[in-house]
Amino acid sequence: KAGVTQTPRYLIKTRGQQVTLSCSPISGHRSVSWYQQTPGQGLQFLFEYFSETQRNKGNFPGRFSGRQFSNSRSEMNVSTLELGDSALYLCASSRDGSSGANVLTFGAGSRLTVL
Amino acid sequence: AQSVTQPDIHITVSEGASLELRCNYSYGATPYLFWYVQSPGQGLQLLLKYFSGDTLVQGIKGFEAEFKRSQSSFNLRKPSVHWSDAAEYFCAVGAGANNLFFGTGTRLTVIP
Repeated sequence: KAGVTQTPRYLIKTRGQQVTLSCSPISGHRSVSWYQQTPGQGLQFLFEYFSETQRNKGNFPGRFSGRQFSNSRSEMNVSTLELGDSALYLCASSRDGSSGANVLTFGAGSRLTVL
Repeated sequence: AQSVTQPDIHITVSEGASLELRCNYSYGATPYLFWYVQSPGQGLQLLLKYFSGDTLVQGIKGFEAEFKRSQSSFNLRKPSVHWSDAAEYFCAVGAGANNLFFGTGTRLTVIP
């Protein structure tokens, strides 16, 4: 079966712009999580959606937002981009998992460069 | 608070040699532990996980890990490394609602 699909894979933006990233989970997976990966901060949890509701949120400013659609596809948006937002944004899906005992399957990521 | 420590930033081993990557965690409840691998420009691939039961868990690609509660450790091992194992390895603890806390990663270089 198809894995987690993230689009676009690469994109370049300038400071002050906004960006929207898309994630299509594995069929049957209802939970989608987003992570930011940078050389300095490593892998950090952004937020998690289940059944179109945000269940959990990491420690990121309000410029970072997301949503989930009824077909479980998810988007994340970053407004007023800053240079420090340059990162690999990873999406992961799972069947459910309100506990930590859940296996996440990651996509290949969207590489954002902010100039 | 949850945290994961991977003390080795970079490890170099010869092909065919054994490998052990260290991971220590801090978590207040029953830990759900994971090892992921990331090749350059790629996402994360799950190698193995520990939820409960047998403390020695087997994963893909010949990897295994041992959970030691007394030492708060979950070290990853492989008896014989292949050149294709060169990648970055991340240990993580599951904190609920698909919120994983990751270590800073260990980059593995394999010498032919």
